[in-house]
Amino acid sequence: GQNIDQPTEMTATEGAIVQINCTYQTSGFNGLFWYQQHAGEAPTFLSYNVLDGLEEKGRFSSFLSRSKGYSYLLLKELQMKDSASYLCAVVDSNYQLIWGAGTKLIIKP
Amino acid sequence: EAQVTQNPRYLITVTGKKLTVTCSQNMNHEYMSWYRQDPGLGLRQIYYSMNVEVTDKGDVPEGYKVSRKEKRNFPLILESPSPNQTSLYFCASSRTGEGFNEQFFGPGTRLTVL
Repeated sequence: GQNIDQPTEMTATEGAIVQINCTYQTSGFNGLFWYQQHAGEAPTFLSYNVLDGLEEKGRFSSFLSRSKGYSYLLLKELQMKDSASYLCAVVDSNYQLIWGAGTKLIIKP
Repeated sequence: EAQVTQNPRYLITVTGKKLTVTCSQNMNHEYMSWYRQDPGLGLRQIYYSMNVEVTDKGDVPEGYKVSRKEKRNFPLILESPSPNQTSLYFCASSRTGEGFNEQFFGPGTRLTVL
């Protein structure tokens, strides 16, 4: 079966750095997405990785290791507005999106 | 403004009363999809459409119907809603059906079935 694992919830402090991990076991791989979703709102696109390595986009970075079936989202200089759920989704061999259950990130002052 | 719209945003109904949730996108996207989101379960795909007149079942299609008569619209129909369909529903679209395209989501419809 296909499986994506993320921690259910994480807590971090304003101004700090947090890393949200995602591990996956899917039938094939054609890329990995990270989406941000504030409570009760629509998911919005953060990043897409298809090659190994780190991609940086402002305060947010996303890393991929295809051989390990592993990705992480790194958030720096945390702000209160970063409190949200972060969804990991993998594109499988049939180009279908497989979604993880999401990680709820709580930022404390 | 490029966007996906859904209506209604909130709906409380009773068991068995047919309802339709509309979805429209103005980006000329080929691919459209419906998801439901429940606590702890993440996004689960209900139905999707690769293009006009082409629809397919997702992971949880039971109790739902869809149609794609025009490229921009993709309504979700619940013929006889039941309480287990109480959920937050999202419509999404992307340029094509290949999963590596970014999906754009509507604002969501919170449905309660009593």
